[in-house]
Amino acid sequence: EIVLTQSPGTLSLSPGERATLSCRASQSVRGSNLAWYQQKPDQAPRLLIYDASTRATGIPDRFSGSGSGTDFTLTISRLEPEDFAVYHCQQYSYSPRTFGGGTKVEIK
Amino acid sequence: EVQLVESGGGLVQPGGSLRLSCVASGFTFSSYWMHWVRQAPGKGLVWVSRINIDGSSTNYADSVKGRFTISRDNADKTLYLQMNSLRAEDTAVYYCARGAWQLGPFDHWGQGTLLTVSS
Repeated sequence: EIVLTQSPGTLSLSPGERATLSCRASQSVRGSNLAWYQQKPDQAPRLLIYDASTRATGIPDRFSGSGSGTDFTLTISRLEPEDFAVYHCQQYSYSPRTFGGGTKVEIK
Repeated sequence: EVQLVESGGGLVQPGGSLRLSCVASGFTFSSYWMHWVRQAPGKGLVWVSRINIDGSSTNYADSVKGRFTISRDNADKTLYLQMNSLRAEDTAVYYCARGAWQLGPFDHWGQGTLLTVSS
């Protein structure tokens, strides 16, 4: 099973700042089959990025994904108030599909 | 608009059974693989199970294999998760999710239904 490790656990930033979230895989993720999800309190996750760098439908361009192999990054260029949430990465190259433990982006 | 609506959660004693349902609308249900994902209180997301388009192929996380059964009724556009021999560690919000493509990410999620296993 591929283990995904997200860092940091919590990121404290102010609106307008840049957020950089990391997701590291225990082995190479084939085909860059990695997704990022946003989850707000008491809500379901929402797909933000798939195939490591492709934005899902309706996702603003301040969200971008990069990386390949074992190291992936989600960047939010300028944080808006609605971006404070938990972000999860997921690999879908191998079964079982696994998620990282999440990074909480909180208001500083 | 794609909608997934789960139901069936509740309080169950250890060793008990429950069946979750997820009703789909706004898309051709029979064309998509479907998944169950759970999230224990304050914890991360954990994939539980998936089913292919016609129900002929299923897969489970090791933690639920032999206890949970995923199924679907394409005529009724409904996904199910039959859960038996429930344990305290199965306590979680259970989400149904649509696979964007056969081996793809999950592009739509339901709002979740809470299962609590406790005596």
